[in-house]
Amino acid sequence: DQQVKQNSPSLSVQEGRISILNCDYTNSMFDYFLWYKKYPAEGPTFLISISSIKDKNEDGRFTVFLNKSAKHLSLHIVPSQPGDSAVYFCAASVSGNTPLVFGKGTRLSVIA
Amino acid sequence: KAGVTQTPRYLIKTRGQQVTLSCSPISGHRSVSWYQQTPGQGLQFLFEYFSETQRNKGNFPGRFSGRQFSNSRSEMNVSTLELGDSALYLCASSSTGFSTEAFFGQGTRLTVV
Repeated sequence: DQQVKQNSPSLSVQEGRISILNCDYTNSMFDYFLWYKKYPAEGPTFLISISSIKDKNEDGRFTVFLNKSAKHLSLHIVPSQPGDSAVYFCAASVSGNTPLVFGKGTRLSVIA
Repeated sequence: KAGVTQTPRYLIKTRGQQVTLSCSPISGHRSVSWYQQTPGQGLQFLFEYFSETQRNKGNFPGRFSGRQFSNSRSEMNVSTLELGDSALYLCASSSTGFSTEAFFGQGTRLTVV
């Protein structure tokens, strides 16, 4: 049973617009969430994280929103750039003490 | 600061053989985790080592094993290879474990024929 779900396998966005990547989780014990970006032939790169004591965390063009009641988080990229084209993985952990559980990823294509 | 180094980058093995993959973490990092990525799947956790001890283990058969050395370098071994073991194997290092962000290597692409 998938505990972390990214229901959109792919997303296309025009350059300069907002990209919104979604992630749902089923395990209510998860309280630490991360987003990773992966280019082909490279390992995932850490982007941004959020703990359950917050509902928003911002880092430059990247903002993660957490809705605990809906068990949903989203990553917003504004403005989107062609270099953002990659696969984005959502991951979750319990108090940062358990192995990260990853979603299957969403492939983002930013079109110039 | 050097990143996480995985060797080899690519491997082709035959069913029934065994394989050993290597991971050198970022200097000072004591936690090394291994993940398997297959097409259509997310990253699936294999195991985590911290200070030479296996601290966490995922749901993989006993054919998958690992170890960590005193310099924090880690190896992963897969015995009696099956076609389904073909995957990208990723190693991640972090300073303390899962409470801090992990830094991934480029991975080892294993193909079993």
